Amino acid sequence: DAKTTQPPSMDCAEGRAANLPCNHSTISGNEYVYWYRQIHSQGPQYIIHGLKNNETNEMASLIITEDRKSSTLILPHATLRDTAVYYCIVRARVRYNTGTASKLTFGTGTRLQVTL
Amino acid sequence: DAGVIQSPRHEVTEMGQEVTLRCKPISGHDYLFWYRQTMMRGLELLIYFNNNVPIDDSGMPEDRFSAKMPNASFSTLKIQPSEPRDSAVYFCASSRQDQPQHFGDGTRLSIL
Repeated sequence: DAKTTQPPSMDCAEGRAANLPCNHSTISGNEYVYWYRQIHSQGPQYIIHGLKNNETNEMASLIITEDRKSSTLILPHATLRDTAVYYCIVRARVRYNTGTASKLTFGTGTRLQVTL
Repeated sequence: DAGVIQSPRHEVTEMGQEVTLRCKPISGHDYLFWYRQTMMRGLELLIYFNNNVPIDDSGMPEDRFSAKMPNASFSTLKIQPSEPRDSAVYFCASSRQDQPQHFGDGTRLSIL
C-alpha cells in the first residue's frame, strides 16, 4: 500500500482557508487519494477523493500535483466545526478470488485546530 | 437517509465475558467493514465482507474475535472471552463497490 505523510498538527484562523498537505510519493497509477476527517467522538467522515484531476465538492477542494506524489486538501472558509483530525489515504485495490475490493489504511493524520 | 447504525454506543463489561457488537449498514451497500481504534494503534481494519461473505480477515487480532454477516442488513463482531486490552472504539462502515466508505458512530468498549 502506498504510504502517506502528513504534518501532525496545524492551526487555522476561523474564516481563513485551511490547506492540508499530504505526500504520497509511492502512489501507483490507478490508486485514488481519499480524504476523511474525524471529529472527536465520531466516526470518520468522507470528504473528497481524486485520481489525477483536481476535485471540488460542497465541503472542500482537492489539488493533486501533476506527478501525483502529493496533494492538498483545501477548506476554503474554515469554521470552528472543522476542528478535527484529517486523514489522507491512498486507496489500495486488493484482488481476491471472486473480484477486487478497496481497502483504506488510516495513518495518524493531521490534527487541525480552527481558532477564533 | 439513515447512515450506518451501530449498537450499543457504549459497553462496559468484565474480562472473560462475551461481547457482541452490532452493525446495520446503509441499505444497498454491498461492502461492510469492521475497524478498531485505539490511542496506541490508531484506526485498524479488522475484517470486511462483500455480499455477506468475509473477504479479508487478516486484521482480526486473534481467535477470540469473530465476525458474521447473516444477511445484507446486519453484522456482528463478537469477542469471547474479552480481555482488558480489547478496550477500544469499534467502528463499522459500509460502501458500494469502489465508492467511499460511510462510518457509524462507533461502539466504545471498556473491559474491566
